[in-house]
Amino acid sequence: DGGITQSPKYLFRKEGQNVTLSCEQNLNHDAMYWYRQDPGQGLRLIYYSQIVNDFQKGDIAEGYSVSREKKESFPLTVTSAQKNPTAFYLCASSAAHHGTQYFGPGTRLTVL
Amino acid sequence: QQQVKQSPQSLIVQKGGISIINCAYENTAFDYFPWYQQFPGKGPALLIAIRPDVSEKKEGRFTISFNKSAKQFSLHIMDSQPGDSATYFCAAVKGGAQKLVFGQGTRLTINP
Repeated sequence: DGGITQSPKYLFRKEGQNVTLSCEQNLNHDAMYWYRQDPGQGLRLIYYSQIVNDFQKGDIAEGYSVSREKKESFPLTVTSAQKNPTAFYLCASSAAHHGTQYFGPGTRLTVL
Repeated sequence: QQQVKQSPQSLIVQKGGISIINCAYENTAFDYFPWYQQFPGKGPALLIAIRPDVSEKKEGRFTISFNKSAKQFSLHIMDSQPGDSATYFCAAVKGGAQKLVFGQGTRLTINP
């Protein structure tokens, strides 16, 4: 059963803590993406990776970090430097040189 | 130039009616225009997509109309049903770049 999985579904963090959100895909896609969605808002690109061991900053990368050590995995770390991390985080993937992105179910992060 | 402007922000339609959501873009290098449907608490799902070499694409009750000269495209939902109530995002991408540019979203409510 092909798709994108994100875990956990809900995550609570205390201020000052780093947290890592997991994203795995078994679609054999080369490119992976992280988006942030705030209530009633559109999607903003945090980071993306077009190939293993390479990634680029998106529009709102400050306070976030990523790694791409394996083709199927693209974890996102929300660091304590992110001023307002409470949001819905979405991971997506796409085949190389193709515009269609497929999204995971999302992780809702709440800072207490 | 990278923006995609989507309207309206919210839309209420009676069951059986036609829902119409509009998007406009500036960058003529965009060559792929997908629409996504998102239910509350879920990730966006690809609904339908079009390339600028066609003026219309239909899949079931969903139709994309594309006006290349006006740099506008729209989603029409015929015979709208309560199950269509969701947020809809238009997007655009230029070939090879893979970075989707999203509209701000339209919250559609279909009244029974």
